[in-house]
Amino acid sequence: KQEVTQIPAALSVPEGENLVLNCSFTDSAIYNLQWFRQDPGKGLTSLLLIQSSQREQTSGRLNASLDKSSGRSTLYIAASQPGDSATYLCAVALGGNKLVFGAGTILRVKS
Amino acid sequence: GAVVSQHPSWVICKSGTSVKIECRSLDFQATTMFWYRQFPKQSLMLMATSNEGSKATYEQGVEKDKFLINHASLTLSTLTVTSAHPEDSSFYICSGEDRGPTEAFFGQGTRLTVV
Repeated sequence: KQEVTQIPAALSVPEGENLVLNCSFTDSAIYNLQWFRQDPGKGLTSLLLIQSSQREQTSGRLNASLDKSSGRSTLYIAASQPGDSATYLCAVALGGNKLVFGAGTILRVKS
Repeated sequence: GAVVSQHPSWVICKSGTSVKIECRSLDFQATTMFWYRQFPKQSLMLMATSNEGSKATYEQGVEKDKFLINHASLTLSTLTVTSAHPEDSSFYICSGEDRGPTEAFFGQGTRLTVV
């Protein structure tokens, strides 16, 4: 059974810091991996999607890497801003887009 | 990306009543729809998968007679929580997948509170 773990569970940093969120999964047979952002009481915003054949994706200040063989992904956020405060979710797709989610990392960026 | 519109965004209902949640794919045909729920301080968990025109497949531990899923068209899927109880209070969210499939697109979610 696929399990997804995210570390740390919570993170508080001052504005401007670069930070790394970690995600690990137990079964390397994944279709793709996605990082989402969830604001309190809201839905999901897709940040980055990495296909199983890719090693990284970049969008603005965000960079996500994928190492399938070791079952790890990292989300790098450069020059963090208070508006980045949210819960970040990692999810792996098992055949098509049936997703298994991690529990999330709650990020707070202090101004 | 493609848009999935989910309604209502929040609903409060009395224990024992039924609640219907709708998800519409606005600019693509969702051949498959996934339904997830998220209890407070927990992660999203897949409840069921539905393909247009066929019966939904439920995950282990999800009661199919309680959570009725209809996916009668390529642009509309509904989840009906029947005889709702306070323990059904949760955040429910759908995602639609096109024929590709490329990626799944999420609705805005529905916060259900049963009193």
